Amino acid sequence: DVVMTQSPLSLPVTLGQPASISCRSSQSLVYSDGNIYLNWFQQRPGQSPRRLIYKVSNRDSGVPDRFSGIGSGTDFTLKISRVEAEDVGVYYCMQGTHWPYTFGQGTKLEIK
Amino acid sequence: VQLVESGGVVVQPGGSLRLSCAASGFTFDDYMMHWVRQAPGKGLEWVSLITWDGGSTHYADSVKGRFTISRDNSKNSLYLQMNSLRTEDTALYYCGGDATGSIDYWGQGTLVTVSS
Repeated sequence: DVVMTQSPLSLPVTLGQPASISCRSSQSLVYSDGNIYLNWFQQRPGQSPRRLIYKVSNRDSGVPDRFSGIGSGTDFTLKISRVEAEDVGVYYCMQGTHWPYTFGQGTKLEIK
Repeated sequence: VQLVESGGVVVQPGGSLRLSCAASGFTFDDYMMHWVRQAPGKGLEWVSLITWDGGSTHYADSVKGRFTISRDNSKNSLYLQMNSLRTEDTALYYCGGDATGSIDYWGQGTLVTVSS
């Protein structure tokens, strides 16, 4: 199985400051169709996960543009340009290129 | 879009349970469907997948041989038959819809507690 490794696992951030979460896969996530099925999810306290980003850098409808995704091959990053209070929660990367789909361990973002 | 899971209860080790997921607001048979679980205070764990027509299924090693995923496209419904339950199966179980290589939609989850 593909192992997804996130860092850091805990991320204290001051309101208005940027934040960055890294996700590395144990093998390339490039699928035979040329796409990279790397996704980012946000899980606010007490809520279901919500997808923010799909195929590395595509923002879902309704996701603020302060969220962005970059990366290629095996290294990916979720960036938040200016953290707001509503961003508190746990962030997961997930690969959908190889069976079975696998998640990172999660990164807990909190306000300093 | 709505996914509504049901069927979670408290069950004894070795027992069985069937979870259901009712889908609405999207074309159900255009989507593969997943079950993903989250143990209390833990991260997300993929459990099982079924393809659009139910012709192919996949399972995590931790549930293989004990859980069976199925779907009824005429009822826009997904199921998870869970047998030989263990305490480590205690979790919130989410169903999810997958267009391509992702989980686009998530339900609110149903809680399964395996305890004597």
